[in-house]
Amino acid sequence: EAGVAQSPRYKIIEKRQSVAFWCNPISGHATLYWYQQILGQGPKLLIQFQNNGVVDDSQLPKDRFSAERLKGVDSTLKIQPAKLEDSAVYLCASSLLPGINSPLHFGNGTRLTVT
Amino acid sequence: AQTVTQSQPEMSVQEAETVTLSCTYDTSESNYYLFWYKQPPSRQMILVIRQEAYKQQNATENRFSVNFQKAAKSFSLKISDSQLGDTAMYFCAFIPTGTASKLTFGTGTRLQVTL
Repeated sequence: EAGVAQSPRYKIIEKRQSVAFWCNPISGHATLYWYQQILGQGPKLLIQFQNNGVVDDSQLPKDRFSAERLKGVDSTLKIQPAKLEDSAVYLCASSLLPGINSPLHFGNGTRLTVT
Repeated sequence: AQTVTQSQPEMSVQEAETVTLSCTYDTSESNYYLFWYKQPPSRQMILVIRQEAYKQQNATENRFSVNFQKAAKSFSLKISDSQLGDTAMYFCAFIPTGTASKLTFGTGTRLQVTL
């Protein structure tokens, strides 16, 4: 099966600019996650979707970050305006179902550098 | 709140040797799962091994095994017969049972396998 696809692979922007990341999960996976991984840290969950509905966005900085999953398939994560501290790898993951019995499959991530 | 601690930022091992990566966690939950993920330079998080807290028997996957000490809240990963392809970041992760639970990662250990 094809894995989780993410684009772009790298992105460099200046602070206060906007940026968007795209994720295509594994076909049939109802649950989609966006993680932020700052250098030297483990991934931190930003938002979890179940189909096209948000399950958990408690750690998403909603003043500048937004995410959507139209039609319950692809998802985009947007940052506007970006700050220096947003420099990180943004990982997308999907699973067949929510919860522990459905393993997570991760994409290769997008490395964002904010200058 | 759950926390996961990996106290070894970096480790090195010679090819064919054995290495153990440490992980401790803190939780008030009684039912949960623990994982070790590998993140090579490609940035994709790959599941190495998982352990259910209610199982006393330590999980094993080929050259990878864990030492799970529930009372001590310790979950170490042993890699036997280390190979060059094992070079990567290794993350310990924790999740309580339940569909609303989210995965908490440690800060990672960078493992370098040398000739």
